[in-house]
Amino acid sequence: DGGITQSPKYLFRKEGQNVTLSCEQNLNHDAMYWYRQDPGQGLRLIYYSQIVNDFQKGDIAEGYSVSREKKESFPLTVTSAQKNPTAFYLCASSFPGTRSYEQYFGPGTRLTVT
Amino acid sequence: AQSVSQHNHHVILSEAASLELGCNYSYGGTVNLFWYVQYPGQHLQLLLKYFSGDPLVKGIKGFEAEFIKSKFSFNLRKPSVQWSDTAEYFCAVNEHTGTASKLTFGTGTRLQVTL
Repeated sequence: DGGITQSPKYLFRKEGQNVTLSCEQNLNHDAMYWYRQDPGQGLRLIYYSQIVNDFQKGDIAEGYSVSREKKESFPLTVTSAQKNPTAFYLCASSFPGTRSYEQYFGPGTRLTVT
Repeated sequence: AQSVSQHNHHVILSEAASLELGCNYSYGGTVNLFWYVQYPGQHLQLLLKYFSGDPLVKGIKGFEAEFIKSKFSFNLRKPSVQWSDTAEYFCAVNEHTGTASKLTFGTGTRLQVTL
């Protein structure tokens, strides 16, 4: 079964702690993305990566970090510098370049920081 | 920067009513346009997409959307909604910037269909 997995589904952390969200895909997609979804604000791009070992900041990268050491994996770290980390985080992947720009989404991780 | 506007934030319809959700974007160049749907507790999934050709595109579950370039619009329509269409709907635009495939999403429209 091809798809994107995100774990865990729910995550709770204390303020001041860094936390890493997992995203794995077996679709053989080159590009991967992290979005943050907040009520009434739609999806906002945090980071994206078009190839292994390369990534770019999206619109709201402050307080987040990523790595892309493997094609299948694109973990997101929410650092203690992120002022408002409680949100629903979605990972996506796609073929880049001239192929379809359609993005496929994972089930999301709901992070609560108290 | 690209922006996407969805004017209806929350829509309530009775079953069998017709649906039209508005979407306008700001970029004047070549774009790809998408509607995604998020059913309660489920993944965000693609409803339909426009890349080129016929501006009237048909998607899954009886949805369609019309690309009107002169109005920078890509409105979503369905002639007769069902209770199962209750979900949040997102319009998204991808602008052609070389190999980058960045989507800009609207703020979403929550559709509630009543029996």
